[in-house]
Amino acid sequence: AQTVTQSQPEMSVQEAETVTLSCTYDTSESDYYLFWYKQPPSRQMILVIRQEAYKQQNATENRFSVNFQKAAKSFSLKISDSQLGDAAMYFCAYRLRNTGTASKLTFGTGTRLQVTL
Amino acid sequence: DSGVTQTPKHLITATGQRVTLRCSPRSGDLSVYWYQQSLDQGLQFLIQYYNGEERAKGNILERFSAQQFPDLHSELNLSSLELGDSALYFCASSVGAWETQETQYFGPGTRLLVL
Repeated sequence: AQTVTQSQPEMSVQEAETVTLSCTYDTSESDYYLFWYKQPPSRQMILVIRQEAYKQQNATENRFSVNFQKAAKSFSLKISDSQLGDAAMYFCAYRLRNTGTASKLTFGTGTRLQVTL
Repeated sequence: DSGVTQTPKHLITATGQRVTLRCSPRSGDLSVYWYQQSLDQGLQFLIQYYNGEERAKGNILERFSAQQFPDLHSELNLSSLELGDSALYFCASSVGAWETQETQYFGPGTRLLVL
């Protein structure tokens, strides 16, 4: 079974600074997707960024970028120029590709990010 | 706004009761997924429907059931409710069943409190 681990329950960053959230996963598969979802106090789950495992290039979305290390099964999220609106719970998630069956997301336990002035 | 709608937003009920949560997927999406977010279990996949048919089951209790209707909206039925069923229930949708459409978009969730 696939598992996703987020070892940092809480992180704090000052406004305008950079922070990196860690995620590791365990799978015997080679073809999959990885995601970071943001959950603000409103509880809405918002997709931040997506990475296809077959792509070597790290995904980037504006101030958000990932460091995908497939061999190490590591998928960290870097937030640059942090803003107050970035304060939220961040979840790392994994999904198999081309399964032909379930396409469920497997989530980590989340990292709560605080942004201070 | 993801385009996925869920009703009701909040639900308070008593142990032993039955409730129905409703989800309307994004326009054009054929797959609907249900997830449960609780303090002790985190975010867990419950069940997936694709174009009216059950596609996959996760950690869904026998007291829970779901269906997807011809208009593609889905309902999650929770019966014989227990205190531990209190959680945030999310619905998500995607266009396809698996590899072709890999992103799931989440609704705002239904917060269920069982007293």
